[in-house]
Amino acid sequence: AQTVTQSQPEMSVQEAETVTLSCTYDTSESDYYLFWYKQPPSRQMILVIRQEAYKQQNATENRFSVNFQKAAKSFSLKISDSQLGDAAMYFCAYRSPNTGNQFYFGTGTSLTVIP
Amino acid sequence: SQTIHQWPATLVQPVGSPLSLECTVEGTSNPNLYWYRQAAGRGLQLLFYSVGIGQISSEVPQNLSASRPQDRQFILSSKKLLLSDSGFYLCAWSPSGSSEAKNIQYFGAGTRLSVL
Repeated sequence: AQTVTQSQPEMSVQEAETVTLSCTYDTSESDYYLFWYKQPPSRQMILVIRQEAYKQQNATENRFSVNFQKAAKSFSLKISDSQLGDAAMYFCAYRSPNTGNQFYFGTGTSLTVIP
Repeated sequence: SQTIHQWPATLVQPVGSPLSLECTVEGTSNPNLYWYRQAAGRGLQLLFYSVGIGQISSEVPQNLSASRPQDRQFILSSKKLLLSDSGFYLCAWSPSGSSEAKNIQYFGAGTRLSVL
């Protein structure tokens, strides 16, 4: 089974600054999908951004962008101009088109935004 | 638009009692459905997923079971709860078919289960 690793259990950032959350994954497949989900204190999981492995261009969504390094199997999330509302648990996830309908999640990174 | 409903939001149950958590999806047909458990301070553990009525795949052997009696209804059950069943349970769905949309999961609001 694919594994997703988030090596930073906790991160903090000053408001308006930039922070990068790390994610690595293990796979032998060439085609797959990667996601970052946000879980605020309300516990509602929210999709932040996604990346298709066949696309070389890094995905961006407003202040959120990714650095996708396919060869290194790395998928980091950059949050620019951090806001208090960005404080949450962030999960990296992997989905393979070839393993049924399963999504594999990392253990999460808890992000604190300091005013 | 599609919506997912999960209830109850919180539940406190004694050890050995039964469990039934329900999840329904509206606005779509034949969704893929998932149950996850999130223990305190940990990531999401996939418990069950279903690609159709009566089709359940189990990822982790345990005293929990899942059923899909209707196309858009997914139920998580237990005959006798254990202390270790405490946690946050999330239901999710993703579109089926061959489109790119199937590659996104949408989550319910979750159920916080405390087994005492």
